[in-house]
Amino acid sequence: LAKTTQPISMDSYEGQEVNITCSHNNIATNDYITWYQQFPSQGPRFIIQGYKTKVTNEVASLFIPADRKSSTLSLPRVSLSDTAVYYCLVGDPQGAAGNKLTFGGGTRVLVKP
Amino acid sequence: GAGVSQSPSNKVTEKGKDVELRCDPISGHTALYWYRQSLGQGLEFLIYFQGNSAPDKSGLPSDRFSAERTGGSVSTLTIQRTQQEDSAVYLCASSLAPATNEKLFFGSGTQLSVL
Repeated sequence: LAKTTQPISMDSYEGQEVNITCSHNNIATNDYITWYQQFPSQGPRFIIQGYKTKVTNEVASLFIPADRKSSTLSLPRVSLSDTAVYYCLVGDPQGAAGNKLTFGGGTRVLVKP
Repeated sequence: GAGVSQSPSNKVTEKGKDVELRCDPISGHTALYWYRQSLGQGLEFLIYFQGNSAPDKSGLPSDRFSAERTGGSVSTLTIQRTQQEDSAVYLCASSLAPATNEKLFFGSGTQLSVL
C-alpha cells in the first residue's frame, strides 16, 4: 500500500514561501500526486495535482523529482488565511480501478503575522 | 447539487444507539468515499463505492459499521450500537471516476458525538 510521510507541522510568517515535502517511496507508475488543504470544520479541498517535474496553478506549485519518490508543495507568499492542514495523497499501488485513496497524517501550517 | 452534501451536520447520540449518516454526492460522480477524522487527526479511509458496489470494505473498523449506496447516488453509513470511540467527523467525498488522478470533492462532514 502507498504510504506518505509528511512533517507534522510547520510555522511561517506572512509573505514567506512555504515548502512542504511529502515522501512516497512506494508510488506506482500510474499514480498521480495530489495535495489537499483542510480548514477547521471543513472537508479537504483540492489544491494541485501532478505526475512529474513541475506543475503550477494560481494557488501553488508542485515539484516532483525524476524518481517521483517525493514531492514538494510550494505556497508562495503565504497569508494568514493559508493556515490549514495540508495533505499529500497518492493512490494504492496495488489497486486497479477502485483505489483505496489513503491520506497521510497531514502537515499543520501556521502562518503568523 | 453543486457540491457534496452530508446530513446531518451534527449528531449527538447515546452509547448503544444506531445512527445513519447520509451523503449525497455530486451528480454524475460514480465514485464515493467515506472517511473518518478524529479530533486533531488525519483522515482514516472507511469504504469506497464504484456505482452501487463496494469493492473495498477493508477500512470499516468493525462489523458495527456498514454502508450502502443506491441508484449510484446517495450513500448511507450506518453505525450500530455506537460506542464513545466512534465519536468523530465522518467525511464523504465523490469523484468522477475511481482513479488517483481524479479530484475528490468533499462534503463538510457529519460531527458524531456519542455520549
